[in-house]
Amino acid sequence: QKEVEQNSGPLSVPEGAIASLNCTYSDRGSQSFFWYRQYSGKSPELIMSIYSNGDKEDGRFTAQLNKASQYVSLLIRDSQPSDSATYLCAVKESGTASKLTFGTGTRLQVTL
Amino acid sequence: SAVISQKPSRDICQRGTSLTIQCQVDSQVTMMFWYRQQPGQSLTLIATANQGSEATYESGFVIDKFPISRPNLTFSTLTVSNMSPEDSSIYLCSAVGGGYAEAFFGQGTRLTVV
Repeated sequence: QKEVEQNSGPLSVPEGAIASLNCTYSDRGSQSFFWYRQYSGKSPELIMSIYSNGDKEDGRFTAQLNKASQYVSLLIRDSQPSDSATYLCAVKESGTASKLTFGTGTRLQVTL
Repeated sequence: SAVISQKPSRDICQRGTSLTIQCQVDSQVTMMFWYRQQPGQSLTLIATANQGSEATYESGFVIDKFPISRPNLTFSTLTVSNMSPEDSSIYLCSAVGGGYAEAFFGQGTRLTVV
């Protein structure tokens, strides 16, 4: 059973601060990793994808990947109230054609 | 990103009936998937919709309960059969391909069985 684990939260950060979301996975052969944002009552929206060790930046978002530690993280700089949502970590299973395993999600609350 | 249209967006159904959910993608995609998301839970993959052949179901999901069709590269349907209140959930269509390596989602169908 391939697993993706996240802290369910809620993670509460003040507006303007950095939010750090973490994810670990069990499938050592996985090569593709994704972060999705899901607002309450809405479907998941892709924020970041990362395939190589290291950091990948896109605007206020930075994804970090460490395959040796089987660890993926998402940093959100200058957090805004509109960032309040559930963030889902997804890992493409090795040996499959695009099948994703999702974590349970971390609920982020950005406070004023 | 690929645009995925899913309908209906919500429905309230009587137990014992069936509901068919449609998923239309605006471009040809390689893979289409159906997920279920129960309240407060993460996404659980029901099956991979294969074009022109039977869907591939995940453990715990069977064709008799969740028949799936995919007649072409842009369209798929999921039927929830003989519904019970335990089937109340959000059902999501997802697609990969059309020039993108990432998976995108339809708006979801919120199903309530009474």
